[in-house]
Amino acid sequence: EPEVTQTPSHQVTQMGQEVILRCVPISNHLYFYWYRQILGQKVEFLVSFYNNEISEKSEIFDDQFSVERPDGSNFTLKIRSTKLEDSAMYFCASSENKGLIYEQYFGPGTRLTVT
Amino acid sequence: GQNIDQPTEMTATEGAIVQINCTYQTSGFNGLFWYQQHAGEAPTFLSYNVLDGLEEKGRFSSFLSRSKGYSYLLLKELQMKDSASYLCAVRAFRDYKLSFGAGTTVTVRA
Repeated sequence: EPEVTQTPSHQVTQMGQEVILRCVPISNHLYFYWYRQILGQKVEFLVSFYNNEISEKSEIFDDQFSVERPDGSNFTLKIRSTKLEDSAMYFCASSENKGLIYEQYFGPGTRLTVT
Repeated sequence: GQNIDQPTEMTATEGAIVQINCTYQTSGFNGLFWYQQHAGEAPTFLSYNVLDGLEEKGRFSSFLSRSKGYSYLLLKELQMKDSASYLCAVRAFRDYKLSFGAGTTVTVRA
């Protein structure tokens, strides 16, 4: 069964450093998403991406964040200057369509620890 | 925005049935989803409802009443592996994103 993959599984970085989280969505999916989950809290939407551009973003997704689809398979989330409060599990998800019956499939996540 | 409420914790016995309720308020409704999340893992899709009524998928069923802003997930014949967090998520009209509730942690006891 096809699945979303993410690398690395765990990233430790110092405050102020840049990090890039990588995702490979399911191959025939067209819509891509990043969510995050701070330990013990709910899953929060960051950004969605379709047709090589951002289609929706939350207030969390400020100028420190960016997304890119550098080739036909990868989808990346960059945090330019990490803060302590960016420590969270970051999930990539993809779906075939944004419509009603197309569920979002989540990757295993990258645990980001900012020290 | 969306406001999604679900109980924090529930405990049930192996073989029993548990019902997890979810109430929501949203500006335009475009589907309700249930996900299962084991500790430290990704959410995995269980079910969705877009029309009123009951959707059954094996041991799991989900119900929706749009007029009441209410859904429930029914887990039958509970197994130890069903111990997990169950997340209710709503998509609003014209949105791409899913808005998640805080999740209900279900503990299954022998």
